[in-house]
Amino acid sequence: NAGVTQTPKFQVLKTGQSMTLQCAQDMNHEYMSWYRQDPGMGLRLIHYSVGAGITDQGEVPNGYNVSRSTTEDFPLRLLSAAPSQTSVYFCASSPSLSETQYFGPGTRLLVL
Amino acid sequence: GENVGLHLPTLSVQEGDNSIINCAYSNSASDYFIWYKQESGKGPQFIIDIRSNMDKRQGQRVTVLLNKTVKHLSLQIAATQPGDSAVYFCAESLRSYKLIFGSGTRLLVRP
Repeated sequence: NAGVTQTPKFQVLKTGQSMTLQCAQDMNHEYMSWYRQDPGMGLRLIHYSVGAGITDQGEVPNGYNVSRSTTEDFPLRLLSAAPSQTSVYFCASSPSLSETQYFGPGTRLLVL
Repeated sequence: GENVGLHLPTLSVQEGDNSIINCAYSNSASDYFIWYKQESGKGPQFIIDIRSNMDKRQGQRVTVLLNKTVKHLSLQIAATQPGDSAVYFCAESLRSYKLIFGSGTRLLVRP
């Protein structure tokens, strides 16, 4: 198993541009989530999904959209990038509620 | 609101010594706790977890202790090695998928 994969590894955007961060897992996990991590801080939950077709907001959802059309994929969309969205983004998955989450390697995003 | 915090932002230990990383949580109803290790440039890596119906759980060289009376969680690493150098996060959740992470403690292992 590849586990949780994320693409791209690094991205530079200009303010106002849009883009999609990709996340995929091959462990057949029902639960997937997106976090952002700012320098020297812990992770904050952006959005999460408890299964295909079901998504919900986390702590910091503004400026981000998600969808879950398949069990494997959980893309995160930035509609109009802002410098405040400069961060490292991590995707995670877990087999069921309140079980261990497995994290991807992260995507470093710089918004100029 | 829910809050998970750490007492020590940086911990420096001698190689071979035992390390103890502490974490305080504010939600007494939280029922699941996890410790993650994060190395530079990588995603968090699961170390050990514990549910609220337990006080102690042991893994390979690691032990997690949960004191619900004072809402305190600790991670003990035995015989600390240079490869243990990383940032350690505790996280809590309440019967949900929403993990709330603390701000992290950096562990430095001196040779």
